[in-house]
Amino acid sequence: AQTVTQSQPEMSVQEAETVTLSCTYDTSESDYYLFWYKQPPSRQMILVIRQEAYKQQNATENRFSVNFQKAAKSFSLKISDSQLGDAAMYFCAYRGQNTGTASKLTFGTGTRLQVTL
Amino acid sequence: GAVVSQHPSRVICKSGTSVKIECRSLDFQATTMFWYRQFPKQSLMLMATSNEGSKATYEQGVEKDKFLINHASLTLSTLTVTSAHPEDSSFYICSAREAGPNSPLHFGNGTRLTVT
Repeated sequence: AQTVTQSQPEMSVQEAETVTLSCTYDTSESDYYLFWYKQPPSRQMILVIRQEAYKQQNATENRFSVNFQKAAKSFSLKISDSQLGDAAMYFCAYRGQNTGTASKLTFGTGTRLQVTL
Repeated sequence: GAVVSQHPSRVICKSGTSVKIECRSLDFQATTMFWYRQFPKQSLMLMATSNEGSKATYEQGVEKDKFLINHASLTLSTLTVTSAHPEDSSFYICSAREAGPNSPLHFGNGTRLTVT
């Protein structure tokens, strides 16, 4: 079974600084998707960024970028120029391609990010 | 963008009663919807996969007779918590996926259920 591990329960970053959130996963599949979701206090799940495993190039979305290391099964999220609005719970998630795992999202335990002035 | 509407956002019910939560895809058809449960300060745990026109697929440990799922149309899935107990109090979130292998998942805003 696929598992997703986030080893940092809480992180803190100063406004305008850069922070990296860690995520590792375990899978026997070769094709899959990885995601980072943000959950602010409103509890709405917001997709931050996604990465297809077959792509070697790391995904970027404005201030958000990932460091995808397929061999190490690592998928970290870097937030640059942190803003107060970035404060939220961040979940790393995995989605497989094979029947039985396709569409199902497996979430990590989350990292609570605080942004300080 | 695609929107998933979940209703109600909050519900309080008494022990022993049943409560229904609706999940609607507003501007797309969703053959598959997912129901998650989230305890305070914890991650989202998949409860079941709702398939339009067929029976839902439940994850291990989820009681199908307690959490009834109906996906009667391509835009609506419902989760009914039957004979609710205080331990069923939680945050329930649905998500829906558009057609296509690479389509993203869209989440509803969630329902906070409190059983007294």
